Amino acid sequence: DQQVKQNSPSLSVQEGRISILNCDYTNSMFDYFLWYKKYPAEGPTFLISISSIKDKNEDGRFTVFLNKSAKHLSLHIVPSQPGDSAVYFCAALTGGGNKLTFGTGTQLKVEL
Amino acid sequence: ETGVTQSPTHLIKTRGQQVTLRCSSQSGHNTVSWYQQALGQGPQFIFQYYREEENGRGNFPPRFSGLQFPNYSSELNVNALELDDSALYLCASSLRVGAGVYEQYFGPGTRLTVT
Repeated sequence: DQQVKQNSPSLSVQEGRISILNCDYTNSMFDYFLWYKKYPAEGPTFLISISSIKDKNEDGRFTVFLNKSAKHLSLHIVPSQPGDSAVYFCAALTGGGNKLTFGTGTQLKVEL
Repeated sequence: ETGVTQSPTHLIKTRGQQVTLRCSSQSGHNTVSWYQQALGQGPQFIFQYYREEENGRGNFPPRFSGLQFPNYSSELNVNALELDDSALYLCASSLRVGAGVYEQYFGPGTRLTVT
């Protein structure tokens, strides 16, 4: 049972434009959400997080939006840069718990 | 500040053998989690250690075991290796404050191949 879903395996965006990566979840007990970026041959790098008591969190070019009623979150990257090309994972936590539940990832390619 | 390190980088083992993977936590962190990432999948939680004790376990059999040492470094041991154990093994460290563990910071992983 995939509790965190990233339905787009890949996304291609032109440099300077907005990248929008989507994530859906089914477990209503999730209350903290994180985005990680992963380059080949490296571990996931923490990008940004959001608590379920908020609907938006912004950090530089990265903004995460949370829609609790739809059990949906998205990561916006503006403007997109070639160095943003990587696999992006959405992950969720329950009650400050120990286990991160990950989606299957979206491969973002930012083209010149 | 030292990040999370893992050793070895790559490892090839034969089915039925045993393997030990090692992880050093990020400075100031007291909690270590281990994840298995199969090709094309997201990381799957194996277990977490806090204060040298297991603090939660995912859906992995008992032949997956671990240790955390007083300096917060950790080992993952896998006995009786199976072909399906071939994966990237990721260690993540974090700082537990009160009852919560939030952002986890990952090492580069160990690529295990079982033949």
